[in-house]
Amino acid sequence: QKEVEQDPGPLSVPEGAIVSLNCTYSNSAFQYFMWYRQYSRKGPELLMYTYSSGNKEDGRFTAQVDKSSKYISLFIRDSQPSDSATYLCAMSSLAEYGNKLVFGAGTILRVKS
Amino acid sequence: NAGVTQTPKFRVLKTGQSMTLLCAQDMNHEYMYWYRQDPGMGLRLIHYSVGEGTTAKGEVPDGYNVSRLKKQNFLLGLESAAPSQTSVYFCASSYVTGGRTDTQYFGPGTRLTVL
Repeated sequence: QKEVEQDPGPLSVPEGAIVSLNCTYSNSAFQYFMWYRQYSRKGPELLMYTYSSGNKEDGRFTAQVDKSSKYISLFIRDSQPSDSATYLCAMSSLAEYGNKLVFGAGTILRVKS
Repeated sequence: NAGVTQTPKFRVLKTGQSMTLLCAQDMNHEYMYWYRQDPGMGLRLIHYSVGEGTTAKGEVPDGYNVSRLKKQNFLLGLESAAPSQTSVYFCASSYVTGGRTDTQYFGPGTRLTVL
């Protein structure tokens, strides 16, 4: 079993829809949770970062962490065609902070205009 | 400020050939990483470095070697390429200190095909 599970999709939604992307994990030591966005044939770029549990909002993006369920989510409001990309969750434990991130496989998102 | 750059962008090798991938960063980051990305597998860490002259193994180090002779450069070597090493390789770097975001900045990737 992988440490981090992520549905690869693809997830196809109409423009303006609310998108929900999710990851589950098995390692209870994970404390740092990130979402990266990767456009086709490009390197990943950090989108959201959350430490421990709770919510974090940045514009149209909201990241949620539920450590009791070992479940993290990324919500995108008013989705745009420019949001079409692969979204990778990543996480790290305190012990590995700065050294190792464990990535999910990535979810392909397509927003249709 | 170029960020993280990778050379070359594309390469085709025959089985048994060797090559070196070069990663350079101009952000004065201490930490550097090499990942490979395969369909359905996400990003997997090959090797990483926490400073000039130091390297460590990641999740999938077999068949690869690395060197960090200068702080700004991190080299990934394949001594005898195998078809299983066909992948997209990403380099990343990060600045990490207590309480700071563990942001890794990625390069554009190198697409390697081994025939």
